[in-house]
Amino acid sequence: DGGITQSPKYLFRKEGQNVTLSCEQNLNHDAMYWYRQDPGQGLRLIYYSQIVNDFQKGDIAEGYSVSREKKESFPLTVTSAQKNPTAFYLCASSIDGDNSPLHFGNGTRLTVT
Amino acid sequence: EDQVTQSPEALRLQEGESSSLNCSYTVSGLRGLFWYRQDPGKGPEFLFTLYSAGEEKEKERLKATLTKKESFLHITAPKPEDSATYLCAVAGNQFYFGTGTSLTVIP
Repeated sequence: DGGITQSPKYLFRKEGQNVTLSCEQNLNHDAMYWYRQDPGQGLRLIYYSQIVNDFQKGDIAEGYSVSREKKESFPLTVTSAQKNPTAFYLCASSIDGDNSPLHFGNGTRLTVT
Repeated sequence: EDQVTQSPEALRLQEGESSSLNCSYTVSGLRGLFWYRQDPGKGPEFLFTLYSAGEEKEKERLKATLTKKESFLHITAPKPEDSATYLCAVAGNQFYFGTGTSLTVIP
């Protein structure tokens, strides 16, 4: 089955540690995205990538970093510089990054204490 | 300012009681409007895409419609398994998401 796989489902870290969230897709989609979801707020864009080896900052990129070395993979690193890292993180992909719908993974819930 | 607003925030229905969810938007250069269903602890599941005013899409008990300023998600004779949060997203120069409508269908 084609889809987007995020791992792990739950992640716990101590404050001051960097952590990397995995996102893999086998849909052959060109564009990939990272969103953050907090209670009572709409999804907020962290980073997106429309082609391999290229990515752009979204609205809340501070404290995060990404890479896109392969079409299938778009890992997100939450660095110690991110002030409020505890959240639900969603990875998505779309065929062309234009007006095609986004397809989402099942998320990673990160808790930093 | 580009913005997507969903109403109501929460809706409780008796099983079989039809209703509508609203998504209004002020997004320049609309390139598409999307509806998603999200269950607790999971990622949003894609339901519909609408590209132009007057367009309608249907799937089981759900029907989505689009005008120039808003979209409606009509739910006919809902069942308890339709309970979820329904998200609306609009593609402008990026994707803009509403905060969702939390639907509870009571048996």
